[in-house]
Amino acid sequence: AAGVIQSPRHLIKEKRETATLKCYPIPRHDTVYWYQQGPGQDPQFLISFYEKMQSDKGSIPDRFSAQQFSDYHSELNMSSLELGDSALYFCASSYPRGPMNTEAFFGQGTRLTVV
Amino acid sequence: DAKTTQPPSMDCAEGRAANLPCNHSTISGNEYVYWYRQIHSQGPQYIIHGLKNNETNEMASLIITEDRKSSTLILPHATLRDTAVYYCIVRVANTGNQFYFGTGTSLTVIP
Repeated sequence: AAGVIQSPRHLIKEKRETATLKCYPIPRHDTVYWYQQGPGQDPQFLISFYEKMQSDKGSIPDRFSAQQFSDYHSELNMSSLELGDSALYFCASSYPRGPMNTEAFFGQGTRLTVV
Repeated sequence: DAKTTQPPSMDCAEGRAANLPCNHSTISGNEYVYWYRQIHSQGPQYIIHGLKNNETNEMASLIITEDRKSSTLILPHATLRDTAVYYCIVRVANTGNQFYFGTGTSLTVIP
C-alpha cells in the first residue's frame, strides 16, 4: 500500500541558508501534519493543513512556513537556518471522515543537519 | 499540556504479553484514545484507537476503563521487534488537530 512520501530523506545545510521539505500524502488523504523531533526528544507538532487550509498550529518558528497545494502535497519552508533546527522532520497524513478512520500515518522523515 | 500520563519505561519478556498503561483522567466525552509507537528514528507507527469500547486489531488490543480515565494497550505476544517508545494520545477525531506526543513509555522486550 502507498505510504506517506517525504523528500529529501537527508539534507545538509549551512547556517542562515534555506531549506524546503516536501511531503506527499497517501492518495485521497486531505490532511497533512508536520512534526519536528530533535535528538532524544519526542515529536513536536509544528502545523497541520486540512483541504489546503491551516487546521492547527503548534510550536512552529516564525522562520518556518508551510502550505498545502491543490494536489494535497505539502511543503515546509525553513529560512535563516540555525544549528538548533537540526532534527528529524516527519510528515503525516490522514483522511478524517468518521471516527474510526481518523488515524494519521507518518512518513519516514527527513533528517536535516545544519552545520 | 500533556493530557496523558505513562510510565517512562517498562520491560517485558519475549513471548509474554506486554501491558502498557495510560492515565487520561481529564479526557473529554468526544476525545478518542490513540496509541502510536516509534522504533528508533523511524516515523511513528499507528497501532490502534478507540472511544469507549475495547478494540482489537492484528497488532494489539486496547482496553478502556468504563469511566474512560485510563486505558491499557496489550501486545499479546511481545517480540524483540516490539521494542519501541509507545505513545498514548487523546484527541478529538474527525479533525486536523494535532496528535500530541507526550513522553511515552520506552518498552524493552527482553530475550
